[in-house]
Amino acid sequence: AQSVTQPDIHITVSEGASLELRCNYSYGATPYLFWYVQSPGQGLQLLLKYFSGDTLVQGIKGFEAEFKRSQSSFNLRKPSVHWSDAAEYFCAGLNTGNQFYFGTGTSLTVIP
Amino acid sequence: DGGITQSPKYLFRKEGQNVTLSCEQNLNHDAMYWYRQDPGQGLRLIYYSQIVNDFQKGDIAEGYSVSREKKESFPLTVTSAQKNPTAFYLCASQKGDNSPLHFGNGTRLTVT
Repeated sequence: AQSVTQPDIHITVSEGASLELRCNYSYGATPYLFWYVQSPGQGLQLLLKYFSGDTLVQGIKGFEAEFKRSQSSFNLRKPSVHWSDAAEYFCAGLNTGNQFYFGTGTSLTVIP
Repeated sequence: DGGITQSPKYLFRKEGQNVTLSCEQNLNHDAMYWYRQDPGQGLRLIYYSQIVNDFQKGDIAEGYSVSREKKESFPLTVTSAQKNPTAFYLCASQKGDNSPLHFGNGTRLTVT
């Protein structure tokens, strides 16, 4: 079955430091992949998406993600974290049957 | 601005009562979804609808019901048969197959 795994339940980084959130996918073909962000008590906001083509995708709020087929990964990165980036981050995949599957999320804490 | 409106934001009910959560979208999207979110479990699909007057069960449909009488509206009823209804409920819509989901801001339901 298709799935995405987010190995890190919680990550803490200092403001201004770089960030990398991990996502591994399990799918036979190249999946469509997404990263979403959720602030407390809010819905999910799309940060970026990968469908095909260039494996490095740029998103909103200064985020980027790189698709690596050899590692079955789609990690989210940001060069310099701001306090407002503290939130829950979800990796998601979409298979050819238009079925979404979500990771369990990574909670990001930013310390001043 | 187009978007998805979920109401109310907070809902409190006594055990044994049915309750209906509202979801309205003005994005002109055909597909709509209901997810349940519990801490540490990510998002689980309750029901989805790809077209008016048609809907399908998701992974955890037991104890829930939906209707899709209008393209803009996809209300979710949490029935007394749902054994553990306290959760955060998210409604989403999708423009077409293989498109990202757009989420509302959620309804937090507490049943005591």
